Amino acid sequence: GAVVSQHPSWVICKSGTSVKIECRSLDFQATTMFWYRQFPKQSLMLMATSNEGSKATYEQGVEKDKFLINHASLTLSTLTVTSAHPEDSSFYICSAKPLPGNTIYFGEGSWLTVV
Amino acid sequence: ILNVEQSPQSLHVQEGDSTNFTCSFPSSNFYALHWYRWETAKSPEALFVMTLNGDEKKKGRISATLNTKEGYSYLYIKGSQPEDSATYLCAPYTGTASKLTFGTGTRLQVTL
Repeated sequence: GAVVSQHPSWVICKSGTSVKIECRSLDFQATTMFWYRQFPKQSLMLMATSNEGSKATYEQGVEKDKFLINHASLTLSTLTVTSAHPEDSSFYICSAKPLPGNTIYFGEGSWLTVV
Repeated sequence: ILNVEQSPQSLHVQEGDSTNFTCSFPSSNFYALHWYRWETAKSPEALFVMTLNGDEKKKGRISATLNTKEGYSYLYIKGSQPEDSATYLCAPYTGTASKLTFGTGTRLQVTL
């Protein structure tokens, strides 16, 4: 099946710094990638939809200036958490949708801890 | 925000038992329902994408049915094995939302 790679798997950063998470589709091109966040005992919540070559579409309540998304190529999207704070500590996971097809493939996720 | 409910939240069965879980979702503007199997420390694995009312799909010992009129889907596992232990997620994709909305999942544990 299609493979989506996410890096890093774990990251610890100091409060006030920025951290970048990469999401790569390894064997297909993805015009659309999705970024989710999951807090303990909650469901995966969509943060934003990343479209190659255009601005990301953010869900209500997600600060676009804090969570910068770049989808510069058909195989790579990045999420940068800027000026991270402890409340940003969470599990972040990306997914990608190849064309054509209905299946959406997920990365392994990234655990972010802000100290 | 779509209300997607999965039940039970967790389930503990013995090897060889058959089991099933439920996913409930709003039936309006339905486009597709996705089922995923998510093992700890791995990527969620796509199991099924279901679109038609009455659809039934099967993958090995796992099968799923879909009722779009009443807004529910069942996932069945026949003869559960320890390797089936995972969290099973459902996510409807609606025309209005144009995105997957996930339930909290059913956590299955299969013991010997």
